[in-house]
Amino acid sequence: DAGVIQSPRHEVTEMGQEVTLRCKPISGHNSLFWYRQTMMRGLELLIYFNNNVPIDDSGMPEDRFSAKMPNASFSTLKIQPSEPRDSAVYFCASGENYGYTFGSGTRLTVV
Amino acid sequence: DQQVKQNSPSLSVQEGRISILNCDYTNSMFDYFLWYKKYPAEGPTFLISISSIKDKNEDGRFTVFLNKSAKHLSLHIVPSQPGDSAVYFCAASFYNQGGKLIFGQGTELSVKP
Repeated sequence: DAGVIQSPRHEVTEMGQEVTLRCKPISGHNSLFWYRQTMMRGLELLIYFNNNVPIDDSGMPEDRFSAKMPNASFSTLKIQPSEPRDSAVYFCASGENYGYTFGSGTRLTVV
Repeated sequence: DQQVKQNSPSLSVQEGRISILNCDYTNSMFDYFLWYKKYPAEGPTFLISISSIKDKNEDGRFTVFLNKSAKHLSLHIVPSQPGDSAVYFCAASFYNQGGKLIFGQGTELSVKP
């Protein structure tokens, strides 16, 4: 079991560019979550999926953010266009019944 | 609005002593609470949890206490070890929201030898 796999680990991009973060959840897990970590707000839930269906996207900051889960083994979080205030660590997590496993995160820097 | 709050951004404790990390929440409908531990450059890992029908849960050196009337929970680590140095996140959930976790801001614990 390789755990939750996120790519890339680090991303540096210029303001205005499109950024795509990727996540491969643990096989068999029904729920997938995208979180963002900042110093001020800690871990914020952006969106979560259950059985590949988006259940709650109320945490997505604005229309520049979008997430998809085309199948049970892959999810993407896209930011278009990116802004410096989007700089943070983005985590993907999967699991069931609260026993969630987090990936190692993607550190995004928008300059 | 922050529904789960950890008001201490950092805590420093001597090795062998007790570490107490605190967490407050605002929504009385939360029915499950968890603590996660996070090392630098890694994702958070589950540590211990407690259901709202209990007031205490213990797992080795880690004990979580829940005070529903005060909307407060705490994590006790006894004895503290240098390897416990990490950021600790408190999280809360509603049973009928499919396991969605709402996290606090985190408390960075430093255990000094």
